Amino acid sequence: EDQVTQSPEALRLQEGESSSLNCSYTVSGLRGLFWYRQDPGKGPEFLFTLYSAGEEKEKERLKATLTKKESFLHITAPKPEDSATYLCAVSLSLGAQKLVFGQGTRLTINP
Amino acid sequence: KAGVTQTPRYLIKTRGQQVTLSCSPISGHRSVSWYQQTPGQGLQFLFEYFSETQRNKGNFPGRFSGRQFSNSRSEMNVSTLELGDSALYLCASSSRWAGTTEAFFGQGTRLTVV
Repeated sequence: EDQVTQSPEALRLQEGESSSLNCSYTVSGLRGLFWYRQDPGKGPEFLFTLYSAGEEKEKERLKATLTKKESFLHITAPKPEDSATYLCAVSLSLGAQKLVFGQGTRLTINP
Repeated sequence: KAGVTQTPRYLIKTRGQQVTLSCSPISGHRSVSWYQQTPGQGLQFLFEYFSETQRNKGNFPGRFSGRQFSNSRSEMNVSTLELGDSALYLCASSSRWAGTTEAFFGQGTRLTVV
């Protein structure tokens, strides 16, 4: 069965304390891996798409990497406004948008 | 460029009733997907429409249905509502048919069934 697992479920950091979130997947035929940020009561906000092992993408304090079995979202020197739930999702079908999501990591950055 | 618009933002319905939710995708986007988000199950895929045709369907009962219009706007309908249907319903739009591409989400419709 296709599965996406995120760890940890929740993470508390001090402002400026760098860390990484993990997304591991067991799927048959990965077509793309997506990272989203979701604030309470809002829809997910797109961050990155990764397509192949070894690929990396960066945006401000965030950097996403992909291997054959997992992806990491590295957060460097986070600020309180980075507090949110970070969701990982995989796409299995070419030409379709049927995403399989992980349960998310709830990140809290304390000032 | 306007984002994905979902209406209404909040709904309260009684068990047994039916409900229709609306989604207007980003201009130029022809693919619309629907997801259900609950604290216990997380985000789960409902169905996807492209050019008025359903391309994929998730593992939900037949009470959940949808459609897409010629202007790419989409609606989803839930009939005979159950308490367990209380959730945040999210719509996502994307621009391309071929190849995996990004899906952009709306703010969602919060449905409460009492």
